[in-house]
Amino acid sequence: RKEVEQDPGPFNVPEGATVAFNCTYSNSASQSFFWYRQDCRKEPKLLMSVYSSGNEDGRFTAQLNRASQYISLLIRDSKLSDSATYLCVVNGGDYKLSFGAGTTVTVRA
Amino acid sequence: NAGVTQTPKFRVLKTGQSMTLLCAQDMNHEYMYWYRQDPGMGLRLIHYSVGEGTTAKGEVPDGYNVSRLKKQNFLLGLESAAPSQTSVYFCAIATTPYEQYFGPGTRLTVT
Repeated sequence: RKEVEQDPGPFNVPEGATVAFNCTYSNSASQSFFWYRQDCRKEPKLLMSVYSSGNEDGRFTAQLNRASQYISLLIRDSKLSDSATYLCVVNGGDYKLSFGAGTTVTVRA
Repeated sequence: NAGVTQTPKFRVLKTGQSMTLLCAQDMNHEYMYWYRQDPGMGLRLIHYSVGEGTTAKGEVPDGYNVSRLKKQNFLLGLESAAPSQTSVYFCAIATTPYEQYFGPGTRLTVT
C-alpha cells in the first residue's frame, strides 16, 4: 500500500469554480502534513502546511481528518494560474517526507 | 529556488556510463535530499543528509551513491547508469526536515 494516495484527476473546472480533492495516508503516526504545488516540468513548491484545526491561505483551505487519515485541499474562485499538479505530502518519519503522486487541476477560461 | 542550484540541467548517458549530479545551496541549510520523479509516481527519496559529512539511504538508494563533504554541496553519483534510472532528479534543502525547498531538477535519459 502506498503511504500517500491521491486521485490523479484531472479535475477540469471553469474559472471561478470551487474545486476540492483529498488524499489519504497510511501512517497513523504522521504528525506533519503539507500541500505542495508543481507546475508542468518545474520543481515542487510548498503551498501550505496543514494544521489539525484546518487552515486557510487566501483562496486555499486545507483540512486534516486524523480519524479517517485524510487531508483535503479546497480552492475557491479558481484562477487560470491555479492550473497545476497538487502534491499531498506527509512526514514519513525521521527527517523524511512521503509524497503522493499528485492531483492535476486544470482551470479553463 | 531558495538558493538551490542543480548541475547539469539535462544529460543523456549510455548504459554503463557514470556521472555525478551536483546540488549546491547558498542558504546554509542542514538538511539536503535527492529525489527522483517518474510519471505517475510520487517523488521518491534516494538519499539524504542531515548535516555536513552525513548521508543516509532513502526509499530507492540502489544504484546511487552520495557524498556531502561540504555543507553547501550534495553530490549524487551513478556509477553504472541503467535505463531504469531515466528520470527527473530533484534536490531539496531544508532547515527543518519537513519544509523542503527544491532545485529546478535534472532531466536524465539513459539509453
